[in-house]
Amino acid sequence: DTGVSQNPRHKITKRGQNVTFRCDPISEHNRLYWYRQTLGQGPEFLTYFQNEAQLEKSRLLSDRFSAERPKGSFSTLEIQRTEQGDSAMYLCASSLGRGQGRVNTEAFFGQGTRLTVV
Amino acid sequence: QKEVEQDPGPLSVPEGAIVSLNCTYSNSAFQYFMWYRQYSRKGPELLMYTYSSGNKEDGRFTAQVDKSSKYISLFIRDSQPSDSATYLCAMSFSGTYKYIFGTGTRLKVLA
Repeated sequence: DTGVSQNPRHKITKRGQNVTFRCDPISEHNRLYWYRQTLGQGPEFLTYFQNEAQLEKSRLLSDRFSAERPKGSFSTLEIQRTEQGDSAMYLCASSLGRGQGRVNTEAFFGQGTRLTVV
Repeated sequence: QKEVEQDPGPLSVPEGAIVSLNCTYSNSAFQYFMWYRQYSRKGPELLMYTYSSGNKEDGRFTAQVDKSSKYISLFIRDSQPSDSATYLCAMSFSGTYKYIFGTGTRLKVLA
């Protein structure tokens, strides 16, 4: 697989339930990002990891959101006690990072997980 | 005022036309400029990636960055119906890794 893989592609959940999404980045990429995109808007940054370390979190990432990247490979994004306002496309991206010859490098996105909270 | 402004469109053009898509931004510290194409219900696909000012060409696509005007453009030559999608501009600062996106411009190329 040469791209960023996200599962599931679609998730419908009832308000108040917990959901977890998975992202498998491009294998040699050590940076991993989560974004959220609502209809008619561009993606908004949520958080990013360098290897297993979570280095930055957006104010959009409330206490109900938690992201992990154990062993610096795949990542999970969990939303607890979902609300209707959480309905969105959750996008994962990955890139090469500092120490591999470049400072800023292109981010490649997965197909996203579309969450609908009913 | 948003950091990155982009006309949402839709922009409709006939097949074969030259398309010009634009973004303006307010923060002069942006150093990296990207264009993504996004089909409906899909993830963004990277088209162009440029650093600082200047032009970059890749096939039918040309990206231009004018940092003095805080203005970036994407030109699509010989547009095809398959180019119909939303085009997102994105920017980042040197030393950081999060992208700031525009809202996207919907493009329709009519056969």
